[in-house]
Amino acid sequence: EAQVTQNPRYLITVTGKKLTVTCSQNMNHEYMSWYRQDPGLGLRQIYYSMNVEVTDKGDVPEGYKVSRKEKRNFPLILESPSPNQTSLYFCASSLRVGTSGGSQYFGPGTRLTVL
Amino acid sequence: QKEVEQDPGPLSVPEGAIVSLNCTYSNSAFQYFMWYRQYSRKGPELLMYTYSSGNKEDGRFTAQVDKSSKYISLFIRDSQPSDSATYLCAMSEITGGGNKLTFGTGTQLKVEL
Repeated sequence: EAQVTQNPRYLITVTGKKLTVTCSQNMNHEYMSWYRQDPGLGLRQIYYSMNVEVTDKGDVPEGYKVSRKEKRNFPLILESPSPNQTSLYFCASSLRVGTSGGSQYFGPGTRLTVL
Repeated sequence: QKEVEQDPGPLSVPEGAIVSLNCTYSNSAFQYFMWYRQYSRKGPELLMYTYSSGNKEDGRFTAQVDKSSKYISLFIRDSQPSDSATYLCAMSEITGGGNKLTFGTGTQLKVEL
């Protein structure tokens, strides 16, 4: 089954404790992206990757890091989480840039709470 | 002013009704227009995407784009309780980073028996 998976699905942590949210897709997609979803603000892009070893900032990259060492995986790293990073996070992928207008497949989401 | 405006609802309709969901936008560089459906506690799933002005139909769903007015719509015919979800419009433009998507904040729809 074609899918984007994320782990963990739920996470409660404390300020400053480094964490990683994993994302993996089995569709051989080149393009992967991370979003956060907040009430009243919608989905906002954090980082994206156009291919292996190619990553760039989205609209709200502060406080986040990513890496793309393999095509299928695109982990999101919070080196020192803060309460304003409490949000619902989605990983997404698409076949390649420009196909289907950039429409993307989304993972199930990770609900992160930073105390 | 946001680049994409979408009424958050909630919108409540009886089963079988025709539903109209709308978004307006201000960025003339948007070229592709998409609708996503998001069930509670799930990730968004793509319903339809379209490039040009006009209508595109897929089953009970019709997407309509009017580039001159910067206005897009999604119509749902014969609405079902299973259509109850949040509907997100999204638009993309070509940038140095490929297709950059900008999302509306979503309209919450409830279809009642």
